[in-house]
Amino acid sequence: GENVEQHPSTLSVQEGDSAVIKCTYSDSASNYFPWYKQELGKRPQLIIDIRSNVGEKKDQRIAVTLNKTAKHFSLHITETQPEDSAVYFCAASITGGFKTIFGAGTRLFVKA
Amino acid sequence: SAVISQKPSRDICQRGTSLTIQCQVDSQVTMMFWYRQQPGQSLTLIATANQGSEATYESGFVIDKFPISRPNLTFSTLTVSNMSPEDSSIYLCSVEGGKGQGEYEQYFGPGTRLTVT
Repeated sequence: GENVEQHPSTLSVQEGDSAVIKCTYSDSASNYFPWYKQELGKRPQLIIDIRSNVGEKKDQRIAVTLNKTAKHFSLHITETQPEDSAVYFCAASITGGFKTIFGAGTRLFVKA
Repeated sequence: SAVISQKPSRDICQRGTSLTIQCQVDSQVTMMFWYRQQPGQSLTLIATANQGSEATYESGFVIDKFPISRPNLTFSTLTVSNMSPEDSSIYLCSVEGGKGQGEYEQYFGPGTRLTVT
């Protein structure tokens, strides 16, 4: 089955700097790669996703890249702000009602 | 999109007892997923619930411990049976819903925070 690895487990950056979180997956059939942000005590919220037919996607300060050959995908947050502090999860799945497997999570601290 | 509600939002239970968590979706969905999130950990899939058939459990999870019902396309329950302190977690219901143009997104319920004493 699918296995998703995520690094780093903790990331601390200065406000205004960039943050990069990296994930790898094992199942070549996976075609959907969402990223979730989870604030303390709240449910995971989708912040951006990418599908296997796309190599890069950007939404304001957030971007995601996908390398299907290497089975790598990454989240890039630019101009970080204190409110970006949260736990971020990458995930992989096959769309169409298939299960989503999550990475272990990255706790991001943005220092003002 | 899909709006998901869960009951109860939290509970404190004694070991050896059972708790049933309800999940209600505002639209019909084929599959519903149950996840567990232990303190400070990631989300682990417990099982996938299809309407009209038995749930499919992931490795490490068994039906006797986590029986699931799926009586219709908008509702499911997860029971945590014979609880021990190790079952203290947040349990989340999830569905995959369309967001237009043939694309899908996974939606999560607010979670049920279970503490077993």
